Amino acid sequence: KQEVTQIPAALSVPEGENLVLNCSFTDSAIYNLQWFRQDPGKGLTSLLLIQSSQREQTSGRLNASLDKSSGRSTLYIAASQPGDSATYLCADLNQGGKLIFGQGTELSVKP
Amino acid sequence: GAVVSQHPSWVICKSGTSVKIECRSLDFQATTMFWYRQFPKQSLMLMATSNEGSKATYEQGVEKDKFLINHASLTLSTLTVTSAHPEDSSFYICSAKVESAKNIQYFGAGTRLSVL
Repeated sequence: KQEVTQIPAALSVPEGENLVLNCSFTDSAIYNLQWFRQDPGKGLTSLLLIQSSQREQTSGRLNASLDKSSGRSTLYIAASQPGDSATYLCADLNQGGKLIFGQGTELSVKP
Repeated sequence: GAVVSQHPSWVICKSGTSVKIECRSLDFQATTMFWYRQFPKQSLMLMATSNEGSKATYEQGVEKDKFLINHASLTLSTLTVTSAHPEDSSFYICSAKVESAKNIQYFGAGTRLSVL
């Protein structure tokens, strides 16, 4: 069974701190890996998508990396802000076209 | 970017009634849409894959007679929760796949279902 695991489950940091969220996956043949943001009671906002042939993607203060050989991805957030507080989900798209989600990391950035 | 509209955003119903949730792709056609379910503090779990013009494909453990899916057009898929019970209370999210090499899915805003 393909699984996606995210560590930590929750994280609280002071404003301005750089932080890293971790995601591991068991599928060695992923098609791509995606990071999403979810605000409470809301849908998903796609942040970054890394194709299986790529190693990283950047958007503003966000940088996501992908290491297929070790089954790991990280989401780096620079200079965190209170507005970054949300749950961050990673998901891998398998060869069957299905997204497998991790449990998410609930991030709280304190002013 | 591609927009997916989901309606209603929140619904409260009595136990035993049926509830229909709509998922529309507003500016693109989607032959494939997906329905997910999310319990509080948990991740999204794929319930079924909705295919335009054919029967939906359900994931293991999902009752197809309870969660009826209809994908009658290239821009609309509906999920009907039949004879809803309190344990069906959850957050339901749909997504629509853009047919391209990247296989990107765009997500609706979700529907909060509360069954009394």
